[in-house]
Amino acid sequence: ETGVTQSPTHLIKTRGQQVTLRCSSQSGHNTVSWYQQALGQGPQFIFQYYREEENGRGNFPPRFSGLQFPNYSSELNVNALELDDSALYLCASSIGTGGYGYTFGSGTRLTVV
Amino acid sequence: AQRVTQPEKLLSVFKGAPVELKCNYSYSGSPELFWYVQYSRQRLQLLLRHISRESIKGFTADLNKGETSFHLKKPFAQEEDSAMYYCALSVWGSARQLTFGSGTQLTVLP
Repeated sequence: ETGVTQSPTHLIKTRGQQVTLRCSSQSGHNTVSWYQQALGQGPQFIFQYYREEENGRGNFPPRFSGLQFPNYSSELNVNALELDDSALYLCASSIGTGGYGYTFGSGTRLTVV
Repeated sequence: AQRVTQPEKLLSVFKGAPVELKCNYSYSGSPELFWYVQYSRQRLQLLLRHISRESIKGFTADLNKGETSFHLKKPFAQEEDSAMYYCALSVWGSARQLTFGSGTQLTVLP
């Protein structure tokens, strides 16, 4: 059984650029949630994908978007990067939309300069 | 909107001493509460949830709805308990997303 895999592990982008982060869910998990963790803070919910559709969104602007594929993997896209987007982005997969069965990935560290 | 507060960013105790990590929440309904733990260089993982009322690695947490608290306790801390601990809340809804506190870094001294 494989866990949640995120790529890349680290990324440096310039302000104004666009970035795509990827997540492969744990085997058997059909739901993917994305969280942003700024330095010294707890993770903050961005959105969740279930059955290839967005199934809930946190307080993030539309330039944060995502996709879920038929194999349940997911992408997080961020357009027009800002310095404050620098953070650790965590992906968590689960069976169904419940919040307690999360398996977290190791995260992608994004630095915007 | 729901909110989780962990008042201590850092907490140090000696091995064998009792430890309590504080968590307070604000939500008008009946939330589900969790404790997540992140050991050094490891992923965030679930430690326990209030519904299951179980003890994991000697840790327990009781939901006090009157005080809106969900403090994590262990009677005798071990060095391997050193980690970052996050309290989190989930409310009923389609996405059941987690709202996390800012975390408490626990260090157990030898």
